[in-house]
Amino acid sequence: GAVVSQHPSWVICKSGTSVKIECRSLDFQATTMFWYRQFPKQSLMLMATSNEGSKATYEQGVEKDKFLINHASLTLSTLTVTSAHPEDSSFYICSAKPGTGSGNTIYFGEGSWLTVV
Amino acid sequence: GENVEQHPSTLSVQEGDSAVIKCTYSDSASNYFPWYKQELGKRPQLIIDIRSNVGEKKDQRIAVTLNKTAKHFSLHITETQPEDSAVYFCAWGSYNKLIFGAGTRLAVHP
Repeated sequence: GAVVSQHPSWVICKSGTSVKIECRSLDFQATTMFWYRQFPKQSLMLMATSNEGSKATYEQGVEKDKFLINHASLTLSTLTVTSAHPEDSSFYICSAKPGTGSGNTIYFGEGSWLTVV
Repeated sequence: GENVEQHPSTLSVQEGDSAVIKCTYSDSASNYFPWYKQELGKRPQLIIDIRSNVGEKKDQRIAVTLNKTAKHFSLHITETQPEDSAVYFCAWGSYNKLIFGAGTRLAVHP
């Protein structure tokens, strides 16, 4: 099946600094990638939809200036958490969708654990 | 608005019993209904999915049923095994994205 790689798996950063998480589709082109956040024992909350070559679409309540998303190529999307605070500590997970149109299977990355100290 | 309700939040069964998890969605434009299994600290794994033009789909011990009129879909696991213990999420797809249910923590006891 399709492979989505996410890096880093674990990251610890100091409060006030920025951290970047990468999401790569290894064997397919992903015109659309999604970024989710998952707090312990909770569901996956969609943060934003990343479209190659255009601005990301953010869900209501997600600060676009704090969570910067770049989708510069068909195989790479990045999420940068700027000025991180301890409450940003969470499991961040991306997913990628091959092709276009609704209803296609979505493949998840391994996820990234962010701890802000 | 976009919403999917999932029940129950926790489910405990004996090995060999069946488990059923149900989700209800609100947007009639939904056309894709996947189910994911997630183990602690790992990525969600797609276990089965169904599209709106199909009422039921089965894959070995796992089946999904869809009732578009009532806007609900269910996951059925038969002959449960301890390794089925995990958190299961339903999701629905519309407008090029997936919205997830709150999850069901399934525990299968030997």
